[in-house]
Amino acid sequence: QVQLQESGPGLVKPSETLSLTCTVSGGSVSSNYWTWIRQSPGKGLEWIGHVYYTGSTNYNPSLKSRVTISVDTSKNQFSLSLNSVTAADSAIYYCARLHNWNYYYYGLNVWGQGTTVTVSS
Amino acid sequence: DIVMTQSPDFLPVSLGERATINCKSSQSVLYTSNSKNYLAWYQHKPGQPPKLLIYWASTRESGVPDRFSGSGSGTDFTLTINSLQAEDVAVYYCQQYKTTPHSFGQGTKLEIK
Repeated sequence: QVQLQESGPGLVKPSETLSLTCTVSGGSVSSNYWTWIRQSPGKGLEWIGHVYYTGSTNYNPSLKSRVTISVDTSKNQFSLSLNSVTAADSAIYYCARLHNWNYYYYGLNVWGQGTTVTVSS
Repeated sequence: DIVMTQSPDFLPVSLGERATINCKSSQSVLYTSNSKNYLAWYQHKPGQPPKLLIYWASTRESGVPDRFSGSGSGTDFTLTINSLQAEDVAVYYCQQYKTTPHSFGQGTKLEIK
C-alpha cells in the first residue's frame, strides 16, 4: 500500500527557508494530489497547499506569498518550501495524499507520520 | 474561503454511549456535477497522523468500524460514534475539499466522562 515519509531539518533559523520532502513508496506520485498540512503546538490542522502530478499547485492564501510546493516524478517525491519563517511556523508538518479518480475526490486517505520543525535561533 | 465550524469544542461521553459532533460550512460543499458532498471526517490521536474516517460526508473509509457514521448535506454535517469505546478518545476534525483552501474545522476533543 502507499506510504509517505517526510524528511528535512528539524530546526530552522528565523528568516530562513524551511524545506521538507515527502517520499512516496508503494505507489506512484504520477496521479492524485499531494498535500502538505501542519499543526502548530496546541492548535488544529492547517491546510498549506497541494500539488498535482502535473505540477499544478494550489496554496492557502494565508501562506501563498511564502510557500512553494513541487513534485519530482523521477524521484517519486514532492516537496514543501516555506521562506522567511518565524516562530509561528514551528509545527508538525504532515504530507498526505488527496485520493482522486475520474473527477471524484475521496479525502486525505494516506498520511505521513509527520515531522516536527522548530524555528529558533 | 470556506470556513468550517465544529461544535462542541469538547465532548465528554460515557463508555458505551453515543457521541455526536457537528460541522457547519460557510458555503455549500456539495459538488453538483456528481452530487457528492466533499466533506471528510478525521480522527487524530496524539503522536499519530490523522486518520480518514468518512469521505463524501457519509461513506466510511475501508477498515473503519461501523459505529462511526456521517450524515448531512450542503452546509450541515454530523459525525456520530455509537457505543463509544476507550480507543475512540481523540480529536475529530471535519474538512471540506470542494474549494481550495481545503479548510479544516477547529477540532472537537472527545473524552471519556
